[in-house]
Amino acid sequence: QKEVEQDPGPLSVPEGAIVSLNCTYSNSAFQYFMWYRQYSRKGPELLMYTYSSGNKEDGRFTAQVDKSSKYISLFIRDSQPSDSATYLCAMSAGSRASKIIFGSGTRLSIRP
Amino acid sequence: NAGVMQNPRHLVRRRGQEARLRCSPMKGHSHVYWYRQLPEEGLKFMVYLQKENIIDESGMPKERFSAEFPKEGPSILRIQQVVRGDSAAYFCASSLSEQLHANTGELFFGEGSRLTVL
Repeated sequence: QKEVEQDPGPLSVPEGAIVSLNCTYSNSAFQYFMWYRQYSRKGPELLMYTYSSGNKEDGRFTAQVDKSSKYISLFIRDSQPSDSATYLCAMSAGSRASKIIFGSGTRLSIRP
Repeated sequence: NAGVMQNPRHLVRRRGQEARLRCSPMKGHSHVYWYRQLPEEGLKFMVYLQKENIIDESGMPKERFSAEFPKEGPSILRIQQVVRGDSAAYFCASSLSEQLHANTGELFFGEGSRLTVL
């Protein structure tokens, strides 16, 4: 079993819809949770960062962490075609960046 | 402020040849990380370096792979005697700090080097 599981998709939704992306994990020691966005043929870029559990909101993006269920989510409101990308969840038990474990990514397509 | 620069963007090698990938971190960043990404798979950590030192190479195969980050110049990931299984995208990231809980711990990625082994 992988430490971090993520549905690869692809996920296709119409413009304006609310998108929900999810990851599950097995290591209860994970405390740092991140979401990266990766456009085709580009490098990943950090979207959201959360320490421990709870919600974090940034514009149209909301990250949720449920440590009791070992489940994290990224919600995108009012989705735009420019949100079409692969979204990678990432997490770490310790505070060292070299220990980040990445999910395999979910490919998202927003239809105009 | 230029981002993380990787070259070459695309590299084709025949089995048995050497591949050399270069990464210039963002200005002021002294922490460099190399990752490998296979299709439909996530980023797999390979090695973490600070200037002139390898800090963590736990994700890098012990044979044929090596990395360096000299005092002057870019970080280099070298793959000797490449095999077809080495075909992948190799990403480099840099950060101001290794600590995630500081704003300086954010990883900034380059656009990757795509290696194809024939």
